[in-house]
Amino acid sequence: QKEVEQNSGPLSVPEGAIASLNCTYSDRVSQSFFWYRQYSGKSPELIMSIYSNGDKEDGRFTAQLNKASQYVSLLIRDSQPSDSATYLCAVRVGSSASKIIFGSGTRLSIRP
Amino acid sequence: EAQVTQNPRYLITVTGKKLTVTCSQNMNHEYMSWYRQDPGLGLRQIYYSMNVEVTDKGDVPEGYKVSRKEKRNFPLILESPSPNQTSLYFCASSLVGQGDGSTQYFGPGTRLTVL
Repeated sequence: QKEVEQNSGPLSVPEGAIASLNCTYSDRVSQSFFWYRQYSGKSPELIMSIYSNGDKEDGRFTAQLNKASQYVSLLIRDSQPSDSATYLCAVRVGSSASKIIFGSGTRLSIRP
Repeated sequence: EAQVTQNPRYLITVTGKKLTVTCSQNMNHEYMSWYRQDPGLGLRQIYYSMNVEVTDKGDVPEGYKVSRKEKRNFPLILESPSPNQTSLYFCASSLVGQGDGSTQYFGPGTRLTVL
């Protein structure tokens, strides 16, 4: 089993709808969780970070964390064509948070 | 401007010819890391460093070396590159620990081709 798993997609969502991206992880001591957006050939850029159970909102983005279920998700409201990209889930693992494990990414496509 | 820089951005080389990819950050971050990205495999950590003179292996360290003699620099060394090291490489840095400070900032990437 991979340490951080994401559905590879592609996930196709109509413009203006809500896109829901999911990620599960296996290391129970993980405390820091990140969502990155990556356009083709570019470096990852941080969208959201979350450390506590519950929801965290920033503009059109909401991250949700459920440590009991080892599940973190990203919701994108009012999806725009510019949201079309690959979304990477990342988890800092271990007691010293020294290693960082990325999921393989979910490709999101927003159709007009 | 706070940034992570990498050089070169593109490199084509031949099997066995030693090369170094440089990485530098100007944010006074303790933590630095190297990743490679291959289609369908996502980002995989090669090596990381928690501070000067402290380095450790990530998930795919074979065939790579690193050094951390200064806080701002973290070069990636391929002593004898092979075609299976053809990939897109990213350097990243962050503060140490949990919380918002542990967010990583990525360099622009180095596309390496080994013939």
